[in-house]
Amino acid sequence: AQSVTQLDSQVPVFEEAPVELRCNYSSSVSVYLFWYVQYPNQGLQLLLKYLSGSTLVESINGFEAEFNKSQTSFHLRKPSVHISDTAEYFCAVSLPVSGGYNKLIFGAGTRLAVHP
Amino acid sequence: NAGVTQTPKFQVLKTGQSMTLQCAQDMNHNSMYWYRQDPGMGLRLIYYSASEGTTDKGEVPNGYNVSRLNKREFSLRLESAAPSQTSVYFCASTGMSFADTQYFGPGTRLTVL
Repeated sequence: AQSVTQLDSQVPVFEEAPVELRCNYSSSVSVYLFWYVQYPNQGLQLLLKYLSGSTLVESINGFEAEFNKSQTSFHLRKPSVHISDTAEYFCAVSLPVSGGYNKLIFGAGTRLAVHP
Repeated sequence: NAGVTQTPKFQVLKTGQSMTLQCAQDMNHNSMYWYRQDPGMGLRLIYYSASEGTTDKGEVPNGYNVSRLNKREFSLRLESAAPSQTSVYFCASTGMSFADTQYFGPGTRLTVL
């Protein structure tokens, strides 16, 4: 069975410090990988995704994630965080399912708290 | 485009009451989903609709029913609410490819007393 593990439930960090949010997955088939972000009292929105090609993917607000097939990981990093990055971050894998729909399996989430 | 919209934003029910959560999308997506979000558990799929006219159970369907009213609208019904259904409910939609991004609504915060 497929699963997603986010290794840290909470990550406190000071503003302008680097951060890494860890994600590991298990799957017997090829998957696509996603990071979603949820700001307080909002729905989830896509941060970045890995489909194929370069294993390093970037978002427009300075986050990046690297797909590591051998370690089945997709860790999210940012070299310098802002207060506005405070949110919950979800790693997810997308599986092909017969019937033509897109099944996402989510990790439990990592709450990033950026302090001044 | 409004994207994915949900009503209501908040709801308080007593045990045994019923209610319907509404969801609509204006992105011409085929697939729509209902999730619930509980602390420390991520998002869990309740029901999904791969295309208009079809619905299927997800991971946690017990106590819920759904209706895919048309391509745009997908509703979730609680026939007899229980305290265990206290949660935040999200609707999402996407295209047909499993590489497509799922787009989420703003959520409905439901409390069952």
